[in-house]
This record gives sequence, C-alpha cells and structure tokens, in this order.
Amino acid sequence: EAEVAQSPRYKITEKSQAVAFWCDPISGHATLYWYRQILGQGPELLVQFQDESVVDDSQLPKDRFSAERLKGVDSTLKIQPAELGDSAMYLCASSPETGFGYTFGSGTRLTVV
Amino acid sequence: RKEVEQDPGPFNVPEGATVAFNCTYSNSASQSFFWYRQDCRKEPKLLMSVYSSGNEDGRFTAQLNRASQYISLLIRDSKLSDSATYLCVVREGNTPLVFGKGTRLSVIA
Repeated sequence: EAEVAQSPRYKITEKSQAVAFWCDPISGHATLYWYRQILGQGPELLVQFQDESVVDDSQLPKDRFSAERLKGVDSTLKIQPAELGDSAMYLCASSPETGFGYTFGSGTRLTVV
Repeated sequence: RKEVEQDPGPFNVPEGATVAFNCTYSNSASQSFFWYRQDCRKEPKLLMSVYSSGNEDGRFTAQLNRASQYISLLIRDSKLSDSATYLCVVREGNTPLVFGKGTRLSVIA
C-alpha cells in the first residue's frame, strides 16, 4: 500500500532554533496538506497545496512558519524561530485531488525545550 | 465556538459493552462526514464515512442528522483493540477536512 513519507519521526529542538520537516506524498497526488495536532486536540490545518501552489495558508503563522512545495511533489515545513508552544505532532496528508480522501503520514513529533 | 464539538471522554467501558459517541458541527454547509480513528502517537486513519441514511460496518454504526447538525458513532460488542481516540470530521465541498478534538475510548478487560 502506498504511503506518505515524513521525516524526521521525532525532533527535539531548543526554543529560538530553526526546524524543518519533510513530506513526500503518494506518487501522483496533487493535493498536499500540513496539519498540526497539539496533544489532546484534533488536527488543525496549517497549509494546503495544489501541485506547487498554496491554496490555503490562512491558519499558518507566517511570522515564523513557512511551507513550500517547489516542484509540486515533496514539501518542507519550516519553523523559525521555534517556540515552546510549537510542541506538537505535525502531520502531512495527500490526496489525488481536492475533495478526495486523505492518506496521512506517520507524522513528526516536535518537542521544543 | 469550535466547528466540530465532541465530548473528550475518556469513556471507560468493559469488553462486550456498547458505547456511543456524539458530535455536533456548526457549519451548515458541511456536506461530507467521517469518523477517523487515532491510536496513541499514531496518525489518524479513516474508520468510516457517514451517510444521511445511516450506515453500518460490522460492529460500527454511524448516523447523521443534518437538521440537528449531529453525528453519532455506535460501537457494539467492544473489543480491547477498539481502544483509541475517535475523531469526528466534517467537510464543506472540496475544502480541507475539519477535525473535532476527539473522544478517547478505553475498553477494559
């Protein structure tokens, strides 16, 4: 079964440092999503890509977060500088097109100390 | 007000019990409805879609009441392996999925 690959699986970083997460969606999936899930909460959308274009980044804290999907395939989410409140699971998901079902990756669990 | 509201639980039930979870959503334009299951420290996985007529998948039954903007999930004959967090999810058109906080279920031997 095709998978969404995410790395690293775990990341511990000090506050004020920069951190980056990588996601490789299922081959051929045009739509890619980054969600953040704080412990005890549901996943919340950060950004949605359609191919290489951002469709929705209204919930992305743009003062410190950035996301790119330059060639419309894999994607990177960056935080700079990291804050204690950024500790969460960062989930990537992909779908063939908007409106289709998602496949989630295993996530990156970030701890900011 | 959150778009999707769920009782966080935990629901602690004995094996074999029947348990029901409820969820309400605020966006009346929502068109698609789902239950996802999330095991501890894992990613969410689709459990089942929810249809207006109600639908069943083995021991799991989902119901939707559009007038009341209410979704339910019933689990019959609970198994230890059902222990997880159950996320109520809604979607308007082709927009991204919107998740509730989840309801935690522990099935006890």
